[in-house]
Amino acid sequence: ILNVEQSPQSLHVQEGDSTNFTCSFPSSNFYALHWYRWETAKSPEALFVMTLNGDEKKKGRISATLNTKEGYSYLYIKGSQPEDSATYLCASYTGTASKLTFGTGTRLQVTL
Amino acid sequence: ETGVTQTPRHLVMGMTNKKSLKCEQHLGHNAMYWYKQSAKKPLELMFVYSLEERVENNSVPSRFSPECPNSSHLFLHLHTLQPEDSALYLCASSQTPPGTSGRETQYFGPGTRLLVL
Repeated sequence: ILNVEQSPQSLHVQEGDSTNFTCSFPSSNFYALHWYRWETAKSPEALFVMTLNGDEKKKGRISATLNTKEGYSYLYIKGSQPEDSATYLCASYTGTASKLTFGTGTRLQVTL
Repeated sequence: ETGVTQTPRHLVMGMTNKKSLKCEQHLGHNAMYWYKQSAKKPLELMFVYSLEERVENNSVPSRFSPECPNSSHLFLHLHTLQPEDSALYLCASSQTPPGTSGRETQYFGPGTRLLVL
């Protein structure tokens, strides 16, 4: 993988459902993986920065895992609420690129 | 929002106009960034400033001209843009300059939505 890829592109779930998305990134010369939450017409908000293989981070109902050897990260949301509706971006930082390389995001919509 | 602010939030300009986008960070950070997001594309880094010095220019056309007069302010001067330059322009800042560990969190503004006619 040369670019950062996120799937699915969009997701529509009911309130209370749990969901997860995938971020795939280049595993070569990996430094860090960032997750952001971006509500419409607002600023992207940092959720997690992850660096170590096997890392797991949690913030409330949102958690993320990291596999640097195979180049993927999962973001989980437990018991989705309407306020979780947003686009979730991941970005990798490698020594090769020396900058954050972003995916196109997963757009989550949670309805009542 | 008091962290990173951007003005204007929306801008419509003709191809012959000159306009400027402004970004201000109230976080005491030392690095600032301009990103561009075109429709259905990922955020693309345009410029990076560290301690008011430009450290990266990602092959951006000269019709985009950045300026960083101090560590709190960043401008993007626009001149003779093309319709394909219509996009969302985001500013960000981080505590430490880029290129060290990749762990530095970047704090974003809400963006300026630009339409070039």
